[in-house]
Amino acid sequence: GQNIDQPTEMTATEGAIVQINCTYQTSGFNGLFWYQQHAGEAPTFLSYNVLDGLEEKGRFSSFLSRSKGYSYLLLKELQMKDSASYLCAVSMEYGNKLVFGAGTILRVKS
Amino acid sequence: EPEVTQTPSHQVTQMGQEVILRCVPISNHLYFYWYRQILGQKVEFLVSFYNNEISEKSEIFDDQFSVERPDGSNFTLKIRSTKLEDSAMYFCASRKRGQETQYFGPGTRLLVL
Repeated sequence: GQNIDQPTEMTATEGAIVQINCTYQTSGFNGLFWYQQHAGEAPTFLSYNVLDGLEEKGRFSSFLSRSKGYSYLLLKELQMKDSASYLCAVSMEYGNKLVFGAGTILRVKS
Repeated sequence: EPEVTQTPSHQVTQMGQEVILRCVPISNHLYFYWYRQILGQKVEFLVSFYNNEISEKSEIFDDQFSVERPDGSNFTLKIRSTKLEDSAMYFCASRKRGQETQYFGPGTRLLVL
């Protein structure tokens, strides 16, 4: 079976840094994605990691350790508009279907 | 920037009726997907499609579901006889050959009464 775990909710303050963790146990692995989803909207691509290490893209960074089955998404200089659900998803081999975690609801307060 | 589009944005139907959800993937993308998200739950894979064939389907994608690429631009999901539990947001996604990232459409919110 496929198991992807992430915290249900997190709260952080505007301007701060927050780290959202994701652990996974899947029968295949072709990379790990982070998507942002505002309520009632589509998931929007944030980052993709296939090799171990840190990928940085502006205020967002994502880290992957394949040996530990672990990833995190780091958001810096939080803004109110970052309040959303953050979805960790594993891309499976052959066909690249995405298997999603339940998502982490991030609330940014002023 | 090219986007995946979906129609309709909302659909209300009676149990037992057929619905067709439409998607226009990004024009140079060759791999297409349908996912669904029941309110408050995780996004779930339904089916993947490439070269006019289903590549993979999930347990959810039973005989009541079918997909089709009727022309060079549209990609449709048909539910033959809707059930109450089919009420969900349905997302279409597409990706380019050689790239891993799937881009999602805005979704169709289906409500079965």
